[in-house]
Amino acid sequence: GAGVSQSPSNKVTEKGKDVELRCDPISGHTALYWYRQSLGQGLEFLIYFQGNSAPDKSGLPSDRFSAERTGGSVSTLTIQRTQQEDSAVYLCASSPPRAGSTDTQYFGPGTRLTVL
Amino acid sequence: AQSVSQHNHHVILSEAASLELGCNYSYGGTVNLFWYVQYPGQHLQLLLKYFSGDPLVKGIKGFEAEFIKSKFSFNLRKPSVQWSDTAEYFCAVKANSGYALNFGKGTSLLVTP
Repeated sequence: GAGVSQSPSNKVTEKGKDVELRCDPISGHTALYWYRQSLGQGLEFLIYFQGNSAPDKSGLPSDRFSAERTGGSVSTLTIQRTQQEDSAVYLCASSPPRAGSTDTQYFGPGTRLTVL
Repeated sequence: AQSVSQHNHHVILSEAASLELGCNYSYGGTVNLFWYVQYPGQHLQLLLKYFSGDPLVKGIKGFEAEFIKSKFSFNLRKPSVQWSDTAEYFCAVKANSGYALNFGKGTSLLVTP
């Protein structure tokens, strides 16, 4: 079946511009996660959505970062006034409804963001 | 706070050599443990996972990992590597009651013919 998809695959932007990154989770998956993979920092958790519950935004690095999930499916990560340190690969993952903690996260291909 | 440590950042092996990648974590509660692999140009894929039960878990492509609770370790092993195992390997830990994966920095494995 179809996996997690993300768009665009690559994004180059100028410092100070806003960007939007999109994630389509696996159909039927209620949980959605955003992570960031950057040189030297490894993979960092950013935000978590579970169904219609309020998201856990504890991993967002600054108030320039926000995310929403419409209709419990597609999610958009928005970075306002981008900075060079925002350059990274942004990964989205989804997992099925929790069942005895056996939830495994399935990752998309990522969006490579380069801020010039 | 949880932390995950992968001891080897870069490993170079010849084909047919045995592989062991170390992973240690710090967390006082019950954890779920994962190894993910990222082949060149591809996205993260799950190799294997441990939730409970037999501490020796087997994954895809002949990989296995052993959870040693007393050592807070979850080392990845493969008896005989192939050139196609060249990839980056990530250990990840999740609190049983939580949801965010906490990743190690990754180990880059190069297998030479």
